[in-house]
Amino acid sequence: KQEVTQIPAALSVPEGENLVLNCSFTDSAIYNLQWFRQDPGKGLTSLLLIQSSQREQTSGRLNASLDKSSGRSTLYIAASQPGDSATYLCAVKSGGSYIPTFGRGTSLIVHP
Amino acid sequence: DTAVSQTPKYLVTQMGNDKSIKCEQNLGHDTMYWYKQDSKKFLKIMFSYNNKELIINETVPNRFSPKSPDKAHLNLHINSLELGDSAVYFCASSQGSGSRTGELFFGEGSRLTVL
Repeated sequence: KQEVTQIPAALSVPEGENLVLNCSFTDSAIYNLQWFRQDPGKGLTSLLLIQSSQREQTSGRLNASLDKSSGRSTLYIAASQPGDSATYLCAVKSGGSYIPTFGRGTSLIVHP
Repeated sequence: DTAVSQTPKYLVTQMGNDKSIKCEQNLGHDTMYWYKQDSKKFLKIMFSYNNKELIINETVPNRFSPKSPDKAHLNLHINSLELGDSAVYFCASSQGSGSRTGELFFGEGSRLTVL
């Protein structure tokens, strides 16, 4: 059964810092991995989707990488802004049920 | 236009009541899901439907009954509500099933409070 872990659970940084959020998974036979953002009281917004054949995806200041062999993905946020404050979740879809399994998220606060 | 919409957004009810949450997606996806997010913000899959057929039913009490009248709708009916059912319920959709499942899109969530 796939298990997804996100480290750190919480992060507080000053504006302008470059950040790395980590997502690890136990079963490397994945189909894709998706990063989401969740604002308080809101739904999940998709940030990046990486297929198993890809190594990374980029969108603006966000870059997500995937290393299946080591069971890891990282979300890199460049030049962080207060508006980046949210909870970031990763979801891994792997064999078996084909249902995305979520980590518990990293709660990010970027202060001015 | 909202891609995945859920109603109601908030639901407050008494223990023992029966309630429903509706979900509709206008993305043309063929797979829909219900997730439950508990007080610690952990998202857990409850059900998944592909082309109106149930493909995943995790360990969920049979008081929860999903219904998919067509590919664009997946409703959740809950009987005999209990305090522990209080949570935020999220509907999601994606295209394809099995190894070809694409990007997952979520609704805004329905916050259920059982008193």
